[in-house]
Amino acid sequence: EVQLVESGGGLVKPGGSLRLSCAASGFTFSSYSMNWVRQAPGKGLEWVSSISSSSSYIYYADSVKGRFTISRDNAKNSLYLQMNSLRAEDTAVYYCARDQRAARPAAEGVIYYYYYMDVWGKGTTVTVSS
Amino acid sequence: DIQMTQSPSSLSASVGDRVTITCRASQSISSYLNWYQQKPGKAPKLLIYAASSLQSGVPSRFSGSGSGTDFTLTISSLQPEDFATYYCQQSYSTSMYTFGQGTKLEIK
Repeated sequence: EVQLVESGGGLVKPGGSLRLSCAASGFTFSSYSMNWVRQAPGKGLEWVSSISSSSSYIYYADSVKGRFTISRDNAKNSLYLQMNSLRAEDTAVYYCARDQRAARPAAEGVIYYYYYMDVWGKGTTVTVSS
Repeated sequence: DIQMTQSPSSLSASVGDRVTITCRASQSISSYLNWYQQKPGKAPKLLIYAASSLQSGVPSRFSGSGSGTDFTLTISSLQPEDFATYYCQQSYSTSMYTFGQGTKLEIK
């Protein structure tokens, strides 16, 4: 069964740090880009960060750039999010999600790749409060 | 950054109704548009990718259409389990994905 399981959430004071983990199973983890997506209480989904399969490409939302660091260990089938200088507005459920892609041929031999998040974990809750 | 705007923000409908949710991008995103369903306390679930492709295992009453800046998610005949919040998401900019603000579908 394809599965993602997040861990590491908890209560932390403003300015503190926390490291989230996401354990993958049931698929070849090293072949996929991965994402972190968060959801503040009562709010919508917010993409946080992405990392390519070999860690060559890493991206962050402006709201976390310079404070959060995404990483992965393909040997351990694990994704991580190091969160530093935490703020109250970082309080959320954090989900890890697999980045899938679908290829669609177009004219003249061109192939377009479409990306989407097809597998999600159940999430881990981070609360930043004094 | 590409902004995604959904309408309406909330919607009341009855079982059996046909429902349409709209998503508009702040610039053209071709067909790089995905739809997710989320129920309270649960993780999001992928419904539609690449604007109109139905994810495996998703009932055929769900369909997506559109390209460029305007997209729609249609549920042809609402079932009790469809009452949830729906999100669109652009993947045109792979360096910064963005979601719409969500549409909450409630029972009338």
